[in-house]
Amino acid sequence: SQTIHQWPATLVQPVGSPLSLECTVEGTSNPNLYWYRQAAGRGLQLLFYSVGIGQISSEVPQNLSASRPQDRQFILSSKKLLLSDSGFYLCAWLKVANTQYFGPGTRLTVL
Amino acid sequence: QKEVEQNSGPLSVPEGAIASLNCTYSDRGSQSFFWYRQYSGKSPELIMFIYSNGDKEDGRFTAQLNKASQYVSLLIRDSQPSDSATYLCAVNSNTGNQFYFGTGTSLTVIP
Repeated sequence: SQTIHQWPATLVQPVGSPLSLECTVEGTSNPNLYWYRQAAGRGLQLLFYSVGIGQISSEVPQNLSASRPQDRQFILSSKKLLLSDSGFYLCAWLKVANTQYFGPGTRLTVL
Repeated sequence: QKEVEQNSGPLSVPEGAIASLNCTYSDRGSQSFFWYRQYSGKSPELIMFIYSNGDKEDGRFTAQLNKASQYVSLLIRDSQPSDSATYLCAVNSNTGNQFYFGTGTSLTVIP
């Protein structure tokens, strides 16, 4: 079956610390993958998307970066977190009929 | 200019009533339209998608699309307390790779 995983589920980090969030999918190959952020009480903001290994498109310039080292792995990183990076980070993938499905998310709090 | 706009609500309806949720979008090239349900603290769950003008029904849910007016709506018949959630409207870009989300409409179904 096709599933999408994210970890960790929750994370509390101090300002200025690094970040690494991981997303993996199972049961498919070469999916389109997406990173979104949802700040408290706000809509989904598309951060990055990838159509293949090593191919990353950035939607919003900021202190975050993304990488796709393997076909089914998508990583979101930061060298130095800001308070404004707090939010709910969601990885999503594109399935048949152009439908997008989300992973369980990572709730990040930057203190 | 926002790509996708929704009335943030909150929208309250009594149990058993019809809930009507609305969404407008700006990109005339968009081809696919989606409705997601998001419970508090959880990731969005796809409940409906529609590609063609007109209505699409799935159980108690009906999605309506009017491309000329750039308008998408979701009707929930026989609303239940378990339908209480935030409903997100999404459209894809004319390239098909990117998705844009509204800020969501909060729905409360009152028993």
